[in-house]
Formats: sequence, structure tokens, C-alpha cells
Amino acid sequence: GNSVTQMEGPVTLSEEAFLTINCTYTATGYPSLFWYVQYPGEGLQLLLKATKADDKGSNKGFEATYRKETTSFHLEKGSVQVSDSAVYFCALIRNDYKLSFGAGTTVTVRA
Amino acid sequence: DTGVSQDPRHKITKRGQNVTFRCDPISEHNRLYWYRQTLGQGPEFLTYFQNEAQLEKSRLLSDRFSAERPKGSFSTLEIQRTEQGDSAMYLCASSFSERDSDTQYFGPGTRLTVL
Repeated sequence: GNSVTQMEGPVTLSEEAFLTINCTYTATGYPSLFWYVQYPGEGLQLLLKATKADDKGSNKGFEATYRKETTSFHLEKGSVQVSDSAVYFCALIRNDYKLSFGAGTTVTVRA
Repeated sequence: DTGVSQDPRHKITKRGQNVTFRCDPISEHNRLYWYRQTLGQGPEFLTYFQNEAQLEKSRLLSDRFSAERPKGSFSTLEIQRTEQGDSAMYLCASSFSERDSDTQYFGPGTRLTVL
């Protein structure tokens, strides 16, 4: 079946540091890949997505590239801010409209 | 467009009681999904509607759980005879099959605590 494995947290960074959260997936065919973010006390928000191999999703300074050869969709941001403190979820969807999520990675950015 | 809304936001109940949650999707969205999220985990799919038809149910959805979407707009999720293991965040999401169909928009969730 479809599954997503993402880097375990928690991750603690200083402001302006570089952030990478690793995500790999298992799925047949060509799933669409997503990063969702959950800020403290809020619901899940779509951060970015990519629907085919070599696509790059980007939003709010975050980027992730769909790598079919390594079945990966790693999230990166070059310079994090305190406001980026949140839980980040990698997810995929494949035809059947069910999102399959990773376990989430908690990121804390210190001023 | 006010986004997906859920009611209540929090529910505390005693074991054995029945609870019902409501979800109002984004107005033009014809697809509606329910997920369950336990502490430290990602959301897990429960069920999915297209308009008023329930098209898929997860094995996680035991016979104590029932979901409806009677007019293809809002949906309810009922849990009968609640158990402590039902304590979780219940998330609703919606999408539009005719545009950007694989992107689901989530509500704030209903946090259920079963004592």
C-alpha cells in the first residue's frame, strides 16, 4: 500500500538556519506529493505540492522537489523564522483520493 | 469563502456515550473526507463522500462509527458507545472534483476526549 516516512523530530533550530525535513514514499505509479503544516492551535494547511516527477513545489520560502528516482520529497527552507515553528507533515495521494500522511516532524525555531 | 468549519471544536464525554460532530465544507466542494489524528501521528483516513454518496470507508471505521452527508453539503460523524481509544482529533477536509481535485482543505478539527 501507499506509505510515507519522514524524518523524526523534534528539530530545534536558531533563526536564519537552514531547514531540511526528509520525506520518502512508497507507492505504485505516480502519486501527487504534499507538505502540510500545522501551526500551534490551528488546523492543517497545505504548504506546497508537486504532481509529477521533477516538479518543484514552493511557498513561503519553502521548496520541495519530486524525485521519482529516490522516491523522495524533502522539504527545505534557506532561512527559518520563529514563525515557522510548527508540525510539518509529508503526504501523498494516489488515485483513490485518500491522503496518506507521515507521522509529522515538530520544528521549533529559537530567536 | 470561509473555509472548512467543524463543530464542536472540543468535546469531552464519558465512556459509553454517543457523540456527533459536524463538518461544513467549502461551499463549492463536492468531496468531503473524514480523518482521525492521534497524538504524535499523522491523520488517518476514515471515510470519503462525493456529493451525498459515501464512496469509501476505512477498516478503522468500526460499526460504532457512522457518517452521513444527506444533502451533499454538510456532513456528520457519529460515534456510538464511545471508548477511551476513540480519544483523538477528528479532521474534516473537502475538495472539488472538477478543479485541483487532489488538493484537500482541512478544517480546524474536533478534539474528542473520552473519560
